[in-house]
Amino acid sequence: DSGVTQTPKHLITATGQRVTLRCSPRSGDLSVYWYQQSLDQGLQFLIQYYNGEERAKGNILERFSAQQFPDLHSELNLSSLELGDSALYFCASSSTGIGETQYFGPGTRLLVL
Amino acid sequence: DQQVKQNSPSLSVQEGRISILNCDYTNSMFDYFLWYKKYPAEGPTFLISISSIKDKNEDGRFTVFLNKSAKHLSLHIVPSQPGDSAVYFCAASGYNAGNNRKLIWGLGTSLAVNP
Repeated sequence: DSGVTQTPKHLITATGQRVTLRCSPRSGDLSVYWYQQSLDQGLQFLIQYYNGEERAKGNILERFSAQQFPDLHSELNLSSLELGDSALYFCASSSTGIGETQYFGPGTRLLVL
Repeated sequence: DQQVKQNSPSLSVQEGRISILNCDYTNSMFDYFLWYKKYPAEGPTFLISISSIKDKNEDGRFTVFLNKSAKHLSLHIVPSQPGDSAVYFCAASGYNAGNNRKLIWGLGTSLAVNP
């Protein structure tokens, strides 16, 4: 158990809809990262937050947004969903910044029908 | 442009033998490298790391070698066990031109250890 929790574990929705994925980092970790893993793809870094502020941006679509709240939990919002958004979405946390060991949650499996 | 490349998408070895997973990088600004292991439907877990000031780091059955001149690192698993069957990701970290630290991931190598 990494100490990172993600909810929900599974999510099935329809195209055009909007969903919110939630992540709670390990106790004491200030940085939260979001990744997408599509079928047969490696990990695609989406975005990083550090202590409530956006710190780094990767290949995140404009339809996607994220935020980190004062209690350090984070949410990833996916809107106008398309079939191709079906993927595993992982959240990770580290104590401070990028380059440190990241601890991953179990992921949220999103299926867009 | 893939700055971190794991050119072998898959690897199969016999139990008890050595597994060697390779990773090449293109950017000389990377100064810290990590290997993660991922089982299906689970998040990646940290395995081992190495700083660019070293050329070898060992942790039990896992050893990472770094060849800076060749911009190449490898993960050795000796002896390989069936429970090592997983996808292994290489990641490289360093500062970019804007003095921000980045972490770039490879696409992974799927290791199958056969009993």
